[in-house]
Amino acid sequence: QQQVKQSPQSLIVQKGGISIINCAYENTAFDYFPWYQQFPGKGPALLIAIRPDVSEKKEGRFTISFNKSAKQFSLHIMDSQPGDSATYFCAATRTSGNTPLVFGKGTRLSVIA
Amino acid sequence: GAGVSQSPRYKVTKRGQDVALRCDPISGHVSLYWYRQALGQGPEFLTYFNYEAQQDKSGLPNDRFSAERPEGSISTLTIQRTEQRDSAMYRCASTSGASSYNEQFFGPGTRLTVL
Repeated sequence: QQQVKQSPQSLIVQKGGISIINCAYENTAFDYFPWYQQFPGKGPALLIAIRPDVSEKKEGRFTISFNKSAKQFSLHIMDSQPGDSATYFCAATRTSGNTPLVFGKGTRLSVIA
Repeated sequence: GAGVSQSPRYKVTKRGQDVALRCDPISGHVSLYWYRQALGQGPEFLTYFNYEAQQDKSGLPNDRFSAERPEGSISTLTIQRTEQRDSAMYRCASTSGASSYNEQFFGPGTRLTVL
């Protein structure tokens, strides 16, 4: 049972374009949704995170959009750059009870010039 | 400051051997998590500790897997009688607080290959 479904599996975007990665979750008790960025040979690193009390969170070129009723959230990368080429993982957890993060399978983003 | 470190970075072993993977978290970090990450997949939770106490080991695949963090700092993940299906990247992460929303800082991982 996959609790967090992520799509697409891979994505190619032109430099300057918008990258969009989508995730859907099943457990309505989840209330914290981080995105992690992983470069080759490195461990994942936290990029941005959102709680369900807001529908959008923006940090620089990175925005999370959250739709609680649809149980979906997405990462938008504006003005995508070659340096953004990495694997992106969405995750979800329930903050009460210290529940571990559940990760999606990842999206491999390639930004081409 | 130093980040999370793991050793060895690569481990090749023969089927049936025991292996011990080490994680050295960021100094002072309360919680330590172990994950297994297959190629092309996201990290899969194995177990975690708050200080020296193992809080959740529900992700350990079977009783060949065990973990400890005896002094609330360094942790060891042990796999006994390794099998080929155990081959994967094993990562640990640490957090400054004990809440699920604390940022997890991941180590570089140990690539385990079981022949």
